[in-house]
Amino acid sequence: DVKVTQSSRYLVKRTGEKVFLECVQDMDHENMFWYRQDPGLGLRLIYFSYDVKMKEKGDIPEGYSVSREKKERFSLILESASTNQTSMYLCASSSATAIFNSNQPQHFGDGTRLSIL
Amino acid sequence: AQSVTQPDIHITVSEGASLELRCNYSYGATPYLFWYVQSPGQGLQLLLKYFSGDTLVQGIKGFEAEFKRSQSSFNLRKPSVHWSDAAEYFCAVGPSSGSARQLTFGSGTQLTVLP
Repeated sequence: DVKVTQSSRYLVKRTGEKVFLECVQDMDHENMFWYRQDPGLGLRLIYFSYDVKMKEKGDIPEGYSVSREKKERFSLILESASTNQTSMYLCASSSATAIFNSNQPQHFGDGTRLSIL
Repeated sequence: AQSVTQPDIHITVSEGASLELRCNYSYGATPYLFWYVQSPGQGLQLLLKYFSGDTLVQGIKGFEAEFKRSQSSFNLRKPSVHWSDAAEYFCAVGPSSGSARQLTFGSGTQLTVLP
């Protein structure tokens, strides 16, 4: 069965800390995504990656960076965490042609609920 | 730019009643449309998708959706709701050509099911 695994379900950090959220997929997917989910705002795309070492900004990249050193792993980095980054973070992956052919365009992890104090 | 509107933030129905969740999109070409469901504490699971062809699409868990180009809508329906359907539902639209990487999600509709 396909699997997207986010390293933490819950995380509590302090303002100013550097925070790493990790995501691993076992489907050999080319595309990986980071979203944040806030009540009333749905899912908003932070960054995505379509290949190893490649990344593109999504709709709300400010305050975040990403790293993709290996195909299966996509990391979201909060360089200096702030309270307005308290949110649910969702990672997803898809194959390069998934949106046209696959039964499941994007596979999602279970999310990381991050609180910044 | 593409966008998705889910006008109902919260809907409450009784178990066994019919359900319709609304979704309107804005897109310059033929869209690819999706409905996802998110149960509490879980990620998103795909219910169904529309790419082309028959405008009435069937999904998992007894859900269906109808694409209406003239109304720019893709409403989700279920004839008889079960208590386990209580969840948050997201409509999403994707590009029909070019980059296949991005989906734009609506803000979600929270469904409560009364016994």
